[in-house]
Amino acid sequence: KAGVTQTPRYLIKTRGQQVTLSCSPISGHRSVSWYQQTPGQGLQFLFEYFSETQRNKGNFPGRFSGRQFSNSRSEMNVSTLELGDSALYLCASSPSIRGYTEAFFGQGTRLTVV
Amino acid sequence: SQQGEEDPQALSIQEGENATMNCSYKTSINNLQWYRQNSGRGLVHLILIRSNEREKHSGRLRVTLDTSKKSSSLLITASRAADTASYFCATDGGSGGSNYKLTFGKGTLLTVNP
Repeated sequence: KAGVTQTPRYLIKTRGQQVTLSCSPISGHRSVSWYQQTPGQGLQFLFEYFSETQRNKGNFPGRFSGRQFSNSRSEMNVSTLELGDSALYLCASSPSIRGYTEAFFGQGTRLTVV
Repeated sequence: SQQGEEDPQALSIQEGENATMNCSYKTSINNLQWYRQNSGRGLVHLILIRSNEREKHSGRLRVTLDTSKKSSSLLITASRAADTASYFCATDGGSGGSNYKLTFGKGTLLTVNP
């Protein structure tokens, strides 16, 4: 079974631009979560989607948004990029079975904002 | 904000020795999980322990959980150079929160010297 796939792996953007990251979950997994990892703040939860609906949201500004498609693939978008948005963005999928919370992570997208 | 706090922040040992990492958290939980991350790549799930469990084993891994002290420990026995990585504990939202919103600690960087 294929793992979680994130594209692209690396990205360099200029301050003020916007960016879209993609995540394909493990087949059959309906829950997709996004995390931001920085040296200063560590791993922080961005949002979680289930059946095309945002079910949970972290404490990030509105510039960070996401969506999930009917095939469970998810995208996250960051508008008006700031230098501080430079980070490793990790996507995780889960079977979303009650009480089963193990998350399977992709390799991440390394975003650098210059 | 970080829920879990790992201790120590960095640990350096020789191959064959045991490595113990600790994690403390602040709120009630349903489960506590440990993940491994190799050099800025994706996270790999190691083990999950439920709030009603006190100890769990998986291969060379032993996890304990003390809900009265809100703490957990991860023991890696007979360490190998390949165990060199960052280790994170992650907690879910507990009875009032979401199982799919994981809160991570800042991690312990383990270096196993050959």
